[in-house]
Amino acid sequence: DIQMTQSPSSVSASVGDRVTITCRASQGISSWLAWYQQKPGKAPKLLIYAASSLQSGVPSRFSGSGSGTDFTLTISSLQPEDFATYYCQQANSFPSFGGGTKVEIK
Amino acid sequence: EVQLVESGGGLVQPGGSLRLSCAASGFTFSSYWMSWVRQAPGKGLEWVANIKQDGSEKYYVDSVKGRFTISRDNAKNSLYLQMNSLRAEDTAVYYCARDRTGGVCSNWFDPWGQGTLVTVSS
Repeated sequence: DIQMTQSPSSVSASVGDRVTITCRASQGISSWLAWYQQKPGKAPKLLIYAASSLQSGVPSRFSGSGSGTDFTLTISSLQPEDFATYYCQQANSFPSFGGGTKVEIK
Repeated sequence: EVQLVESGGGLVQPGGSLRLSCAASGFTFSSYWMSWVRQAPGKGLEWVANIKQDGSEKYYVDSVKGRFTISRDNAKNSLYLQMNSLRAEDTAVYYCARDRTGGVCSNWFDPWGQGTLVTVSS
């Protein structure tokens, strides 16, 4: 099984800040990585797939990079609606998710 | 509008059974792989199972193998999860999710339903 490790588990940031979240796979997964955003009481929403492809309708301030075992999600300028929990997910084998990163208001 | 609506959750005793349903609309259901993903209260996401367009391939996370069965009825645009021998650790919100694109399975999940809560407790 492929384990996904996200860091940090939480981050405090202000509107306008640049936020970076990292995700590490326990073995190489090429670019088989997605990022999701989840708000309290809501279903997750796909932001990024194939490590760096922006899902339709997702603002361009979200970007993803990486391949192999190390990946990042970057929010270039944090907006009020971006305060949420973010999960990475590998799709190289049976899907598995990281533990999540909560982006909180500073 | 693409929509997934889960139902069938509730309170069940340990060892009991429950059948979840997911009604799909707004897209050609028979063209997509479908999955169930769960989230225990206050915890992260866990993929549970997925099923091919024609139901000929099904895959499960180890923790539910032999207890849960995923199925679909393309004529009814519906996905199901039969859950038997339920345990306290199965308590979670269960989401159905569509594969992002039709055809070959990508395991990118979009969209998701709103979820249905399953509570296993005596």
